[in-house]
Amino acid sequence: GIQVEQSPPDLILQEGANSTLRCNFSDSVNNLQWFHQNPWGQLINLFYIPSGTKQNGRLSATTVATERYSLLYISSSQTTDSGVYFCAVRDTGRRALTFGSGTRLQVQP
Amino acid sequence: GAGVSQSPSNKVTEKGKDVELRCDPISGHTALYWYRQSLGQGLEFLIYFQGNSAPDKSGLPSDRFSAERTGGSVSTLTIQRTQQEDSAVYLCASSYPRGESSYNSPLHFGNGTRLTVT
Repeated sequence: GIQVEQSPPDLILQEGANSTLRCNFSDSVNNLQWFHQNPWGQLINLFYIPSGTKQNGRLSATTVATERYSLLYISSSQTTDSGVYFCAVRDTGRRALTFGSGTRLQVQP
Repeated sequence: GAGVSQSPSNKVTEKGKDVELRCDPISGHTALYWYRQSLGQGLEFLIYFQGNSAPDKSGLPSDRFSAERTGGSVSTLTIQRTQQEDSAVYLCASSYPRGESSYNSPLHFGNGTRLTVT
């Protein structure tokens, strides 16, 4: 099946810093989503972005489907951004989303 | 409610017992997913329902696991003869509001059921 690799696995930032999280995938996809799992375990959908660029406040994401990667940008990070960020993709041969192992982000005050 | 609802939120059971976990998706969502997340790990796909199509059961780890979806809405995940390695958070998600032309729509997750097998 499709492989999804996220980097870095862990990231510690000072409040106010910017960061870039990366998601590489091994095959063509028709669906890519970014999620944030907060420290209480709740999973929130951030972006549905199989291609192109989207922005939502301090967060933005870019997917270059032809090169099989996606980037999530966090600007002016806040302590509430802490948690785990997951990338999930659906390849053309399956109906379910495959999740990466996540990037654990800790934003320190 | 407006979101995906899962019950119970926590379940402690003895090894060998059967458990049932329930998921109530967002009204109008025709796709429903079950995932499992072990402590500190990523999400492992279990099973996927889409409308009246046959479910994709390719992620179920053993024949002790089964799931049903009645009336295209509520789903129940059943684990028979539970083992300690079944301990995890079981997450349900729904997607594909009726009327969209593409099934590739955002997933909305419930808060999960934390299962502990002692």
